[in-house]
Amino acid sequence: EPEVTQTPSHQVTQMGQEVILRCVPISNHLYFYWYRQILGQKVEFLVSFYNNEISEKSEIFDDQFSVERPDGSNFTLKIRSTKLEDSAMYFCASREQLYYGYTFGSGTRLTVV
Amino acid sequence: AQTVTQSQPEMSVQEAETVTLSCTYDTSESDYYLFWYKQPPSRQMILVIRQEAYKQQNATENRFSVNFQKAAKSFSLKISDSQLGDAAMYFCAYRSAGWQGGKLIFGQGTELSVKP
Repeated sequence: EPEVTQTPSHQVTQMGQEVILRCVPISNHLYFYWYRQILGQKVEFLVSFYNNEISEKSEIFDDQFSVERPDGSNFTLKIRSTKLEDSAMYFCASREQLYYGYTFGSGTRLTVV
Repeated sequence: AQTVTQSQPEMSVQEAETVTLSCTYDTSESDYYLFWYKQPPSRQMILVIRQEAYKQQNATENRFSVNFQKAAKSFSLKISDSQLGDAAMYFCAYRSAGWQGGKLIFGQGTELSVKP
């Protein structure tokens, strides 16, 4: 069964450093998402991406965040200057058509120290 | 704005018994989708079941079924013949049916433990 692949599985970074979280969505999927889950809390929407542009973003997704699909396969989330409160599990998800279900990646655990 | 509420932070069930997890939501939309996701300790998000709001029939997937009450805005998950592998965090989620990017709105989650 096709999978959404996320790398790395765990990343530790110093506060103020830039991080890039990588995702390879399922090849024929058209809609891409990033979600965040702070430990012990609910899953929160960050951003959706379609047709090479952001279609929706949450209040969390401020100027420190950006997304890119640089080569038609990878989908990246960049955090420019990490804060302690950015420590969370970050999930990538993709979807084939508007009414189809989502496939989530296994997540990247980001720890900011 | 739509909201999803799971009022049971923790639930426990005996192996082979049945358990029901509650979820309520608030929306002014008439067409939408509802989901239950399972998150085991690995933290992978696994789709358990989904329901389209325009369908009156409750969705069923093997031992998992839902009780969808549209007027009451309630969407509970019933797990029959509970197994040890069902132990996980369960999230209820909502998605608008229209074209707004299709984000999922999650509830706070219910931690289910299964006793042998």
